[in-house]
Amino acid sequence: KQEVTQIPAALSVPEGENLVLNCSFTDSAIYNLQWFRQDPGKGLTSLLLIQSSQREQTSGRLNASLDKSSGRSTLYIAASQPGDSATYLCAVDWADKLIFGTGTRLQVFP
Amino acid sequence: SQTIHQWPATLVQPVGSPLSLECTVEGTSNPNLYWYRQAAGRGLQLLFYSVGIGQISSEVPQNLSASRPQDRQFILSSKKLLLSDSGFYLCAWSRGSETQYFGPGTRLLVL
Repeated sequence: KQEVTQIPAALSVPEGENLVLNCSFTDSAIYNLQWFRQDPGKGLTSLLLIQSSQREQTSGRLNASLDKSSGRSTLYIAASQPGDSATYLCAVDWADKLIFGTGTRLQVFP
Repeated sequence: SQTIHQWPATLVQPVGSPLSLECTVEGTSNPNLYWYRQAAGRGLQLLFYSVGIGQISSEVPQNLSASRPQDRQFILSSKKLLLSDSGFYLCAWSRGSETQYFGPGTRLLVL
C-alpha cells in the first residue's frame, strides 16, 4: 500500500531559525514528489517539484531533497520568517495518483 | 498564462440536498484535472481525476460523482449530501505528471 507520512505534525520556532520538515513514503517507484504550502482556508501553493531522477531542488530559501532508495524527502527552510507560517504538505506521485501526507503545521514567531 | 477558477467560494447546504461544484481552467488544453477534499483534521484526499473529456477515475467510494463535459471544465456533484461531506474542496490541473496547480477551493458546510 502506498503511504505518505510527515513528521513532525506541528512545529513552532523563533524567527531566524533554519528548520527541516520530513516526508517519508512507501514504494520507491515514484514519478515525482512535490512540496506544497497551504495557508488557512486557502488553496495550495506548489513550492518545489522533484522529478524521480533528481536529488534536490532549490527555490530561494527553500531546498527540497529526495532519496528514493530510503523513501525520504526533506524540505529545508533557511532563516525562517513569520510569513513562513503555514501548513506544509508533501505529495508523492505514483502513476497519476497523487497521495498527500497529513502535513506539518509550522508557526514562526517573532 | 494559465488560471484555474472554482465556485462557489463558500457553500452551506442542508443534509440531503444536491451539490454542484464547478472548476474551469484557462490558458491550456487537454489538462489532467483533479478533485480533492480536505476534511477537518484530516489530510488532503484525492477524490477523482480525469485525463480527458468523459474520462473519470474515482479514488474512493462515496456519494459524490464527477463529470467532465468540456476539456477544461470539471464538475463535482452529489444527489444527496451527507454531514460527512463537509470540508474544503480543491480542484487542480496538470500537464501529465508535472506540477499540479490548485484552485482557490470551495468551503462546504453541510448542516
